[in-house]
Amino acid sequence: DVKVTQSSRYLVKRTGEKVFLECVQDMDHENMFWYRQDPGLGLRLIYFSYDVKMKEKGDIPEGYSVSREKKERFSLILESASTNQTSMYLCASSSPGQGWNTEAFFGQGTRLTVV
Amino acid sequence: GQNIDQPTEMTATEGAIVQINCTYQTSGFNGLFWYQQHAGEAPTFLSYNVLDGLEEKGRFSSFLSRSKGYSYLLLKELQMKDSASYLCAVPRGSKSTFGDGTTLTVKP
Repeated sequence: DVKVTQSSRYLVKRTGEKVFLECVQDMDHENMFWYRQDPGLGLRLIYFSYDVKMKEKGDIPEGYSVSREKKERFSLILESASTNQTSMYLCASSSPGQGWNTEAFFGQGTRLTVV
Repeated sequence: GQNIDQPTEMTATEGAIVQINCTYQTSGFNGLFWYQQHAGEAPTFLSYNVLDGLEEKGRFSSFLSRSKGYSYLLLKELQMKDSASYLCAVPRGSKSTFGDGTTLTVKP
């Protein structure tokens, strides 16, 4: 059974804290993604990684950074958490395919509340 | 860029058929995905269309018209468990841009 696992289901952090969200996949996928999902705004891409140590900014990278030291693990870092980063964070992975697109597999999500 | 539009909410009756539309504008086209997301859970893959026409998969079918920038997801014999959000997504390279999702409520 393929899996994308996020380290926490629920997280409460204080404003100004450095926050780490971890994601691990067991499918040997090259591509990994971090999205945030907010009511009325849908899924928005924060960062994307297509290989170890490679990363690319998504649509809303401000206030976030990422780390991909191993193929199976992709971490999202909130350098200094703010209340507007309260959201549902979803990690996903996919394989690059052979000239076609392949579906993304999502983790269960981390609901982060910044107080 | 890519603009994706879906209705925000739909309601249907158990046993009925419902069609969820998705329109998109894109500078390059590499197919269209549909995902299902139950409340509080992760999105899961339903279908991927790259050629025009209808693809059927059990109770769910997905249609694509590339010339019209239009897709729909057709759900037949609705069940209560089909109450969920349905997201269409357009790939751009290895990434995807998602619509805001359509929340479907199935009533008895």
